[in-house]
Amino acid sequence: QKEVEQNSGPLSVPEGAIASLNCTYSDRGSQSFFWYRQYSGKSPELIMSIYSNGDKEDGRFTAQLNKASQYVSLLIRDSQPSDSATYLCAVNSGNTPLVFGKGTRLSVIA
Amino acid sequence: NAGVTQTPKFQVLKTGQSMTLQCAQDMNHNSMYWYRQDPGMGLRLIYYSASEGTTDKGEVPNGYNVSRLNKREFSLRLESAAPSQTSVYFCASRAGGDLGAFFGQGTRLTVV
Repeated sequence: QKEVEQNSGPLSVPEGAIASLNCTYSDRGSQSFFWYRQYSGKSPELIMSIYSNGDKEDGRFTAQLNKASQYVSLLIRDSQPSDSATYLCAVNSGNTPLVFGKGTRLSVIA
Repeated sequence: NAGVTQTPKFQVLKTGQSMTLQCAQDMNHNSMYWYRQDPGMGLRLIYYSASEGTTDKGEVPNGYNVSRLNKREFSLRLESAAPSQTSVYFCASRAGGDLGAFFGQGTRLTVV
């Protein structure tokens, strides 16, 4: 069974700090990896995709992938209170439904 | 560009009643999905349709049926609602391959 694991949190960071969110996955054949942000009472929103080992930066967000360790992370630089949300990691293995982790709740304290 | 549209946004049902949740996407995506989300349980896949004309069970299909009406529309039906089906339901679509999925705004369903 394909699994995606995340620490449920809450992860609390002060405003302006770097928030580091982590995710591990079980299927070595996984090919693409996604981070979603979900505000309370809202639907998940796709914020980052990463397909190859290394870092991918988009504004204040950096996704990191290490396929050998089966590990994906999301770094949020200069964290803002508006970043407070649940972050879901999702993994794709070919043309099958994405497998989601249960999410990590992030709280950015002003 | 509306993306993925779900109706209704809120619904209260009595035990035993039936209803259909509607979902439509305008992104020409091949695959469509229905998830439910409960506190502490994350997103759980109910049914999916990898392409027009096909449907498959996900992790929690019992008590639900689906119809892929055409490429745009994918509906979820509860034939006899039970309190255990109280949840937030999300529809999502994906082009396929290595691409991510996009979600509708959700339907908050309460069964009393």
